[in-house]
Amino acid sequence: QKEVEQNSGPLSVPEGAIASLNCTYSDRGSQSFFWYRQYSGKSPELIMFIYSNGDKEDGRFTAQLNKASQYVSLLIRDSQPSDSATYLCAGPMKTSYDKVIFGPGTSLSVIP
Amino acid sequence: NAGVTQTPKFQVLKTGQSMTLQCAQDMNHNSMYWYRQDPGMGLRLIYYSASEGTTDKGEVPNGYNVSRLNKREFSLRLESAAPSQTSVYFCASSDGRRGPYGYTFGSGTRLTVV
Repeated sequence: QKEVEQNSGPLSVPEGAIASLNCTYSDRGSQSFFWYRQYSGKSPELIMFIYSNGDKEDGRFTAQLNKASQYVSLLIRDSQPSDSATYLCAGPMKTSYDKVIFGPGTSLSVIP
Repeated sequence: NAGVTQTPKFQVLKTGQSMTLQCAQDMNHNSMYWYRQDPGMGLRLIYYSASEGTTDKGEVPNGYNVSRLNKREFSLRLESAAPSQTSVYFCASSDGRRGPYGYTFGSGTRLTVV
């Protein structure tokens, strides 16, 4: 099992809807997770991080972490066409917690 | 506010040629990383440097070497390029502490080996 897994998509949602992106991880010891957004042809940029069970909200973005079920999700409310990008989930590498391992990313398309 | 600067942005190499990808950061970060990104594979760690003077292998180090020249600069060298090394290469840096600290990425180098 890969350390961090994501559904590659593509995920399509209409403008104004909630986009839900999911990620599962294999290492029960992982404490913190990151969500990066990557526009086509650009580099990844950090948009959210979460390190405790429950929800963390930042504007239209909510990250959710469920350690018992080993999944982390990103909700984007009121989705905009500018949210169309690939979203990468990342967590600490099992063999070395000061390094991060990335999932393959989920492609999101917000349809006007 | 340059952040992480990578050069070159694009490069085409012939099989067997060598080249060095340059990376520099101006955020006084201790840790620096080299990743490659391939379709469907996500970002994979090639090498990293936790601090000046130290380097270590990541997930896919074969065919690469690195140098942490000083705190600011971390270079990646391909000694004998192979078509399998065609990829987009990203340099990143962080403050290296445990906890929810993310990376700052450079703009990437798109490398094609023919």
